[in-house]
Amino acid sequence: AQSVTQLGSHVSVSEGALVLLRCNYSSSVPPYLFWYVQYPNQGLQLLLKYTSAATLVKGINGFEAEFKKSETSFHLTKPSAHMSDAAEYFCAVSDKWRDDMRFGAGTRLTVKP
Amino acid sequence: EADIYQTPRYLVIGTGKKITLECSQTMGHDKMYWYQQDPGMELHLIHYSYGVNSTEKGDLSSESTVSRIRTEHFPLTLESARPSHTSQYLCASSSPLRTGSTGELFFGEGSRLTVL
Repeated sequence: AQSVTQLGSHVSVSEGALVLLRCNYSSSVPPYLFWYVQYPNQGLQLLLKYTSAATLVKGINGFEAEFKKSETSFHLTKPSAHMSDAAEYFCAVSDKWRDDMRFGAGTRLTVKP
Repeated sequence: EADIYQTPRYLVIGTGKKITLECSQTMGHDKMYWYQQDPGMELHLIHYSYGVNSTEKGDLSSESTVSRIRTEHFPLTLESARPSHTSQYLCASSSPLRTGSTGELFFGEGSRLTVL
């Protein structure tokens, strides 16, 4: 069965610092991988997705993620954190054969001034 | 620019009341979902539907029920609300993989339910 593990339920960075949110996946077939962001009292919004094209995926708001098959990872990064990046981030996995998306437990990002 | 809508956004009711959370999407998606999420916590799938007249239970057992009479509409009902039902409920939809999509989910803004 597919699954994702997000390392660190809470990450805190200073404004302007690098953001790194970790996601490792488990899948017996080539995966589709997603990062979603959730702002307070809102639903989830797609940040970016990997669907077997380029391994480095660029998303909205300056975020990007790199698919590393050898490490079964799909970590989310942003070079310089902004206060508006404070939110909950969810990694998710599915694949082209199973119509079944699995979410990680989420990582709360706090950005300090 | 959301094409999936949930009402009400916030609801405070007393124990024993019947409530229905509405979810509508205008994207023509076959598959729809309901997730339950406590504040700052992970998502739990409670119901999903493959299309009209299809409803399935998700990973987390729930006392709520759903119906899918029209493609665009997927309401969730609690016959007798209790304080343990206090949570945020998120509706989502997706286009099936057979259509060439990547299964991306589109979410509504959520309905936050408080049962006193």
